[in-house]
Amino acid sequence: GENVEQHPSTLSVQEGDSAVIKCTYSDSASNYFPWYKQELGKRPQLIIDIRSNVGEKKDQRIAVTLNKTAKHFSLHITETQPEDSAVYFCAARSSGNTGKLIFGQGTTLQVKP
Amino acid sequence: NAGVTQTPKFQVLKTGQSMTLQCAQDMNHNSMYWYRQDPGMGLRLIYYSASEGTTDKGEVPNGYNVSRLNKREFSLRLESAAPSQTSVYFCASSPSVGVVMNTEAFFGQGTRLTVV
Repeated sequence: GENVEQHPSTLSVQEGDSAVIKCTYSDSASNYFPWYKQELGKRPQLIIDIRSNVGEKKDQRIAVTLNKTAKHFSLHITETQPEDSAVYFCAARSSGNTGKLIFGQGTTLQVKP
Repeated sequence: NAGVTQTPKFQVLKTGQSMTLQCAQDMNHNSMYWYRQDPGMGLRLIYYSASEGTTDKGEVPNGYNVSRLNKREFSLRLESAAPSQTSVYFCASSPSVGVVMNTEAFFGQGTRLTVV
């Protein structure tokens, strides 16, 4: 079945540095790749997403890249700030009626002031 | 605009008891999901419903049943709760599945379930 692997499980960076989180997926029919941020005790919320017809997308300090051939995608956060500290989840979803949204295991990001 | 609403927010069950987690969305979404979240395991899909009247198993369906009562509501039932089902449960919904329509999934606030 579909599987999404996410690395690293924890990431600690100094404020102002960049953070990169990587994911791989198994279902070649996947065509939608969202990233969610979950703050402590809160629900996951979408921060950025990318579709399979695009290789890169950027929104201010956040960018996502997609390599369909290798079946992996990455989240890049530049100029990190303490409020970026949270758990980040990648996900993959295929089209069609069986388009389940499958998540990676999550990355706990700590940004040290 | 309420979005996705789950009830209850907290629940303690004894082993062997049954209960139903309720989820409702007011965004006219076709797709609805139930996930469980455990430390280090991420969000694991329990069941999924692509549209009213259809349901499909996810990654960890054992011990659970679901009902897509109508387009708005998607309930999760534990028939005989076990300590291994202690978790935080999230319901989510998203617009229609399709090549063009794959868009954001919105989550409920979660249900923290403890089975003792």
